[in-house]
Amino acid sequence: AQTVTQSQPEMSVQEAETVTLSCTYDTSESDYYLFWYKQPPSRQMILVIRQEAYKQQNATENRFSVNFQKAAKSFSLKISDSQLGDAAMYFCAYKSNFGNEKLTFGTGTRLTIIP
Amino acid sequence: SQTIHQWPATLVQPVGSPLSLECTVEGTSNPNLYWYRQAAGRGLQLLFYSIGIDQISSEVPQNLSASRPQDRQFILSSKKLLLSDSGFYLCAWSVRREVREVQETQYFGPGTRLLVL
Repeated sequence: AQTVTQSQPEMSVQEAETVTLSCTYDTSESDYYLFWYKQPPSRQMILVIRQEAYKQQNATENRFSVNFQKAAKSFSLKISDSQLGDAAMYFCAYKSNFGNEKLTFGTGTRLTIIP
Repeated sequence: SQTIHQWPATLVQPVGSPLSLECTVEGTSNPNLYWYRQAAGRGLQLLFYSIGIDQISSEVPQNLSASRPQDRQFILSSKKLLLSDSGFYLCAWSVRREVREVQETQYFGPGTRLLVL
């Protein structure tokens, strides 16, 4: 079974600075998807960024980018120019591409933005 | 554009009472639908998913059941709530698997906060 580990329960960053959130996962599969979701105080899960395992290029979405290291099974999220609205819980998630519809989530990292 | 609705937003129920949470999706056809539960301070756990009407898979044995009476409607139910059923329930949808990439993202609704007393 796949597992996702987020080893940083809490992180903080100064506004306008850059922060990196860590995520590692364990799988024996070669084809899968990785996601970062953001959960603000409203508790709605919002997709931040997605990475396909078969793609070598790291995904980017505006100020958000990932460092995908397939061999190391590492998938970190970098947030540049941090803004107050980035404050939230961030969850890393894994999804197999072999018919299993399940998203496996990590336990989350609470990100605080310091004005 | 696609939207997903859940209601109620908040629910307080006594132990032993029934439960019905509803989720509907607009702007898409034949979606995959999902129910997740999030316990306080934890990640999400998949409870049920459905790839079509009357096609529902259960991931975790429990006190809950799910039904899909219409293509874009997904209902989470219980006949008798337990204290351990308290949590935040999220419904999600994804495009049915036909084309790579687009299909794999799950989009979440606003959630229902359930407190069982």
